Amino acid sequence: DTAVSQTPKYLVTQMGNDKSIKCEQNLGHDTMYWYKQDSKKFLKIMFSYNNKELIINETVPNRFSPKSPDKAHLNLHINSLELGDSAVYFCASSRDGGSSNEQFFGPGTRLTVL
Amino acid sequence: DAKTTQPTSMDCAEGRAANLPCNHSTISGNEYVYWYRQIHSQGPQYIIHGLKNNETNEMASLIITEDRKSSTLILPHATLRDTAVYYCIVRGLSGGSNYKLTFGKGTLLTVNP
Repeated sequence: DTAVSQTPKYLVTQMGNDKSIKCEQNLGHDTMYWYKQDSKKFLKIMFSYNNKELIINETVPNRFSPKSPDKAHLNLHINSLELGDSAVYFCASSRDGGSSNEQFFGPGTRLTVL
Repeated sequence: DAKTTQPTSMDCAEGRAANLPCNHSTISGNEYVYWYRQIHSQGPQYIIHGLKNNETNEMASLIITEDRKSSTLILPHATLRDTAVYYCIVRGLSGGSNYKLTFGKGTLLTVNP
């Protein structure tokens, strides 16, 4: 069974549309994350949730809204998509946010905005 | 979070040990050193982490200098599948920052046949 799964794997859409990316983890972890990897391959944290509560919200436009219906899911909704949103988005989870805990990453969702 | 410095790229022959260095001279006493890698088109993968002592697991060994200002990740017998970007990360402990991993540019390790 896949530990951290994301859907869809690929997403191609037009500017201005609204889209969602789903993430699920079956590891029983309390903390989940969204990272963005841009075309230059820099990987940056966007959000972190611990027990469904927002812990980290980096400088991300408010067009991006994470939603955590339960501990096993952290979905990313993006409004009014822009060209610059094109990137690979990775979901991750960890047992909790402690420094000794490793993060498990999903396979990524490649978003292309035309 | 403490910053890390890694070489941009390294080559290694298949079957040989790959030694990847990382400098983290501003590391704090209670910060961990983490190593992750990202194989092309995949999500990052945890390798190993340590605080003070050297660590070994089924994937690699982590050697941390006594002053903790640098570390080396050792892949004892590199294979072609170890070709990836390797990230050395120091994990912060203050407030919510301990929840995130701050990725740098990493080292592209190419294992050659």
